[in-house]
Amino acid sequence: EDQVTQSPEALRLQEGESSSLNCSYTVSGLRGLFWYRQDPGKGPEFLFTLYSAGEEKEKERLKATLTKKESFLHITAPKPEDSATYLCAALKAGTASKLTFGTGTRLQVTL
Amino acid sequence: GAGVSQSPSNKVTEKGKDVELRCDPISGHTALYWYRQSLGQGLEFLIYFQGNSAPDKSGLPSDRFSAERTGGSVSTLTIQRTQQEDSAVYLCASSTGGGEETQYFGPGTRLLVL
Repeated sequence: EDQVTQSPEALRLQEGESSSLNCSYTVSGLRGLFWYRQDPGKGPEFLFTLYSAGEEKEKERLKATLTKKESFLHITAPKPEDSATYLCAALKAGTASKLTFGTGTRLQVTL
Repeated sequence: GAGVSQSPSNKVTEKGKDVELRCDPISGHTALYWYRQSLGQGLEFLIYFQGNSAPDKSGLPSDRFSAERTGGSVSTLTIQRTQQEDSAVYLCASSTGGGEETQYFGPGTRLLVL
């Protein structure tokens, strides 16, 4: 069965304390790995798509990387406004574009 | 430009009542998706529309759930005879096509069944 697992479930960082969030997947025929950010009471906001192992993408303090089994979201020198739940989702070949989501990592960044 | 919009933003209903949730996709997007997000669980795929093709209904949890898309734009998700376990956030997303394109999400409808 296709599965996407995120760890840790929750992470508390101090401002400026860099860390990484993990997304491991068991999906055969991966077509894409998506990262979203979700603030409380809002819908997921798109961050990145990664299509092949070795690919990296960056946006401000965030960098996403992809291997054949997992993806990492690296957060460098986070700020309180980076506090949110980060979701990853896998798109499998032949699944008519339906994403399989992990349960997310709740990130809190404190001063 | 305008993003995906959903209405109502919140809905409280009594067990056994029917509810309709509405989604307006981004203009020009041909693909539309419905997901459900329950507390402590990941987003769960419900149904997918692509252009004039037959929808992929493989994620609908029971025959109480149905959805339609009129004129290739607005979509309505209907839940008949609601149950308490239907309480969740219902999210709609749209994309430019049905391939690997990014899905953009609306703010969701928070449904509470009493």
